Formats: sequence, structure tokens, C-alpha cells
Amino acid sequence: GAVVSQHPSWVICKSGTSVKIECRSLDFQATTMFWYRQFPKQSLMLMATSNEGSKATYEQGVEKDKFLINHASLTLSTLTVTSAHPEDSSFYICSARDSETGNQPQHFGDGTRLSIL
Amino acid sequence: KNQVEQSPQSLIILEGKNCTLQCNYTVSPFSNLRWYKQDTGRGPVSLTIMTFSENTKSNGRYTATLDADTKQSSLHITASQLSDSASYICVVSRGANFGNEKLTFGTGTRLTIIP
Repeated sequence: GAVVSQHPSWVICKSGTSVKIECRSLDFQATTMFWYRQFPKQSLMLMATSNEGSKATYEQGVEKDKFLINHASLTLSTLTVTSAHPEDSSFYICSARDSETGNQPQHFGDGTRLSIL
Repeated sequence: KNQVEQSPQSLIILEGKNCTLQCNYTVSPFSNLRWYKQDTGRGPVSLTIMTFSENTKSNGRYTATLDADTKQSSLHITASQLSDSASYICVVSRGANFGNEKLTFGTGTRLTIIP
């Protein structure tokens, strides 16, 4: 089945550090990937839609200069949290849709837990 | 406003017992409704996907129902196992197809199975 891999699975770093999270589709190509954030006991909230070869589309209230997204290939999208602060601590989840098989739902990665000290 | 409400927020049942989780939504236009299982610290895993015309769909011990008229869905778990302990998330999609879908997530029901 379709597999989406995220790396790293857990990051702990100091305030002010920039953190990069990778999202890879392992056995399919994905022209579109999605980045979500989930705070404890809350639902997933879409942050941005990552499009291969073009700029990401950000949801209202999400700072594009704070959360840099790069989707340079059909199997990889990266989210960089720049100058992270404790309020950025959250569970970040990506998902991807198989571009080649047509009408298919998103497959989710296992998430990255980000803790900013 | 597009919303997905789930109940109960949390549920504790004995191993082997059945349970039913509820989902009410106000998402429009409706495309499909999904139930996901999310283990702690993991990403959501799809259990069922139902379109407007489907009333019920099963996946092993999981059976989902959909009433598109009342905008309600349920997830029934039969003969629960310890590994069923997780959050169950109801997700409603709007959009003509998966290519341009917008997902609205419920806050989930936290299910705990005790031996």
C-alpha cells in the first residue's frame, strides 16, 4: 500500500533554532502534499498545500515566512520551521496523494513531534 | 461553518465488548466521510471511506454507517481488542473529487480498552 514517511519522528531543540521536517512518498509520486499541525487533544489543522515545482498555498493565519515549504521533487516535500519558539511545539503531520492512480485519498505520514525548549 | 463534531470525547470499555462512536457534520458540499484510527504519536490510518450513496461500510471488526440526510455517521467496533485503544477521527471531505478535496477533521474520540 501507499506509504508516506516523515523524518525525523521527534525533535527537541532550543528556542531560535530552525528545524526541517521531511515528508517522502516511498512507493508513489505525489504532485501534491499537505502539511498539518495537531496540538494535544485537538484535531488536525491544515497549514499548507505543497505543490511540486511551485509555491505552496498557505491556509489563513499561517505565516509563510515562518513555515517554509519546498516541494522540489515528486516524492519529497520539506517543512522548515524557522526561528522556532515554544509556541511552535506541536505534532506536525504530512500527507500525500498518489498522482498517477488518479482519484485517490491522501495517505498520512506518522508525524513529527517538535518540542522547543 | 463547516464543522465535524464527535461524541463521546473519550470512552473506556472492557476488552471483548462492542462500542459505537458518533459523528455529526455540517460540511457542505459533501463529498465523502472517512473514519481514521490514530495511535498515540502516529499519523492517522484510514479505516473506511463512504460517499453520499453509501449507507454502510465494513473493514474487519469496524463498521461505519452514514446517514447523509441527517448528516450523521457512526463507527461500530465489534469484539474490541487491546490494540483498538486509540483516537478515532471522523473526517468529512468537500470538493468534487480527491483531487481538489478539502478535509474537515473532528477532534476525535479517545477509546481505551481495558483487560
